[in-house]
Amino acid sequence: ILNVEQSPQSLHVQEGDSTNFTCSFPSSNFYALHWYRWETAKSPEALFVMTLNGDEKKKGRISATLNTKEGYSYLYIKGSQPEDSATYLCAFMKGNTGKLIFGQGTTLQVKP
Amino acid sequence: DAMVIQNPRYQVTQFGKPVTLSCSQTLNHNVMYWYQQKSSQAPKLLFHYYDKDFNNEADTPDNFQSRRPNTSFCFLDIRSPGLGDAAMYLCATSRTRTNTDTQYFGPGTRLTVL
Repeated sequence: ILNVEQSPQSLHVQEGDSTNFTCSFPSSNFYALHWYRWETAKSPEALFVMTLNGDEKKKGRISATLNTKEGYSYLYIKGSQPEDSATYLCAFMKGNTGKLIFGQGTTLQVKP
Repeated sequence: DAMVIQNPRYQVTQFGKPVTLSCSQTLNHNVMYWYQQKSSQAPKLLFHYYDKDFNNEADTPDNFQSRRPNTSFCFLDIRSPGLGDAAMYLCATSRTRTNTDTQYFGPGTRLTVL
């Protein structure tokens, strides 16, 4: 059974705080890790697709790192804004099959 | 412009009464997926179509079926919904099934079973 774990489950921060959360996944047979942001009442939106050990990707104030050997990825948000409030999902790609195994998500609430 | 559309956004059905959820896409993608997300759990893949080729996950209950009449549309049929089938159902598409292909999601249909 492939398990993808995300921590923490929820997070409350003040506007301007920087924050980070973790995604853990199986380190064997790694193909890719996907990050999504899911705002309430909207569609999950792709943030990053990461494939290489040591990879670091950035999109505005959001960045992510990848360690495939130990099986974890970090997502960082610098200077959180209320519009960053969402659930952040990571998903491990099972083989080269298109099948994503999702974590349960980290729900971020940014207070003005 | 919405690229993956799901209708309805909210669906209420009665225990045992068949229900169909709809998904359409304007991306002309080859692959369409259905995921089920129960409260506070991870989204779970039920099945997917690669073109007309249907791929069922081993642990998807027989109660769940799918149809893809053309490239743009895909349906999820629940033959006899039980209380345990209440969930958010997400449809997604991707161009192909490689590891780097992004999946594009609809907003989901929240199913309530009374």
